Amino acid sequence: QVQLVQSGAEVKKPGASVRVSCKASGYTLSGYFMHWVRQAPGQGLEWMGWINPNSGDTNYARNFQGRVTMTRDTSISIAYMELSRLRSDDTAVYYCARGNIPSAFDIWGQGTMVTVSS
Amino acid sequence: SYVLTQPPSVSGAPGKTARITCGGNNIGGKSVHWYLQKPGQAPVLVIYYNSDRPSGIPERFSGSNSGNTATLTISRVEAGDEADYYCQVWDSSSDHVVFGGGTKLTVL
Repeated sequence: QVQLVQSGAEVKKPGASVRVSCKASGYTLSGYFMHWVRQAPGQGLEWMGWINPNSGDTNYARNFQGRVTMTRDTSISIAYMELSRLRSDDTAVYYCARGNIPSAFDIWGQGTMVTVSS
Repeated sequence: SYVLTQPPSVSGAPGKTARITCGGNNIGGKSVHWYLQKPGQAPVLVIYYNSDRPSGIPERFSGSNSGNTATLTISRVEAGDEADYYCQVWDSSSDHVVFGGGTKLTVL
């Protein structure tokens, strides 16, 4: 079936970088935009940006520009999100989600907990 | 940037109707999508393009969108509907996706 499976939980120190992966199965990665959404503990959903896996084009939310990089490897159907210069307030669950603009996000990954702590 | 406003909480009695609003400037001109999220789980799409339901979502869930307010309506509320609900749009002017702040539905 169509699903997105994300990499496991991460613990990072402030200033470090983290890379989260999202493996697509049951469909062709190139066929849909991939979005990244995060959710801090007890907070709402925050959109981080998208990547068009077909072209590699990206569009990042203003809050993350300069710190986030979204890439993909279509040969293995994986999308990646790397966040650099981590701060304690980057502690959150990070989700990948499939959805072409302006369509809804119909498939979500299970989420990856990233904890930033010294 | 475009802002979506949701009430922090809404309550509904079992068997009754609950309505969750999502306010935005001329939101009626945009396509609104709705998600529910239960604790510890990923969000699930319940309404797309204002009023369409994905397969597997009960007919009790419906949506509307006009003027400055989009509404998610849950008829015959059940205990299992208790969750956080989020609206979402694509803002064409910025080419960015925007989420509302979320509404916690409590079933009385």
